[in-house]
Amino acid sequence: QQQVKQSPQSLIVQKGGISIINCAYENTAFDYFPWYQQFPGKGPALLIAIRPDVSEKKEGRFTISFNKSAKQFSLHIMDSQPGDSATYFCAARITGGGNKLTFGTGTQLKVEL
Amino acid sequence: NAGVTQTPKFRVLKTGQSMTLLCAQDMNHEYMYWYRQDPGMGLRLIHYSVGEGTTAKGEVPDGYNVSRLKKQNFLLGLESAAPSQTSVYFCASTPIMAYNEQFFGPGTRLTVL
Repeated sequence: QQQVKQSPQSLIVQKGGISIINCAYENTAFDYFPWYQQFPGKGPALLIAIRPDVSEKKEGRFTISFNKSAKQFSLHIMDSQPGDSATYFCAARITGGGNKLTFGTGTQLKVEL
Repeated sequence: NAGVTQTPKFRVLKTGQSMTLLCAQDMNHEYMYWYRQDPGMGLRLIHYSVGEGTTAKGEVPDGYNVSRLKKQNFLLGLESAAPSQTSVYFCASTPIMAYNEQFFGPGTRLTVL
């Protein structure tokens, strides 16, 4: 059972465009929502994260939008660059019990020139 | 400061063979995790540990065993490898404090023939 649903599976965006990746969850016990970025042949690395008590968090060109009532959150990449081409995973965590993360299935982003 | 390291980077096994994957971290993190990554399925938690001498099952534990004899090391064992265990395996660690990122290793690509 996939507790965090991520879409789209793949995405092609032109350089300078906006990339949007969406995630939805069901478990209201989730209390922390990170996004990880993974380049080919590498391990995932934290990109940006949000807690459910805020609706938006911005770090440079990356923004998380969070809708608690809809149980949805999304990653927006502004002014997308070829160097942003990677796989992006959303995740959700339940406090306690080892701080385990449940990951979405990933979105492969390609930014074309 | 090497972060999280994994040994080996690549391995090919025959069905029924056994092997151990080693994860080491030099950040003095309490929590450690083993994930497997398969196309279209994201990262799935196999086992995790909340401290030296402790282990617990994750989402997909069958066919794997783990040990955490030292705080800095987390071993993942396959007693009798099956083709379904062909995957990329990632180890991660995180400090005990809340809202901290998981730091991932570079991964081990395992093929079971």
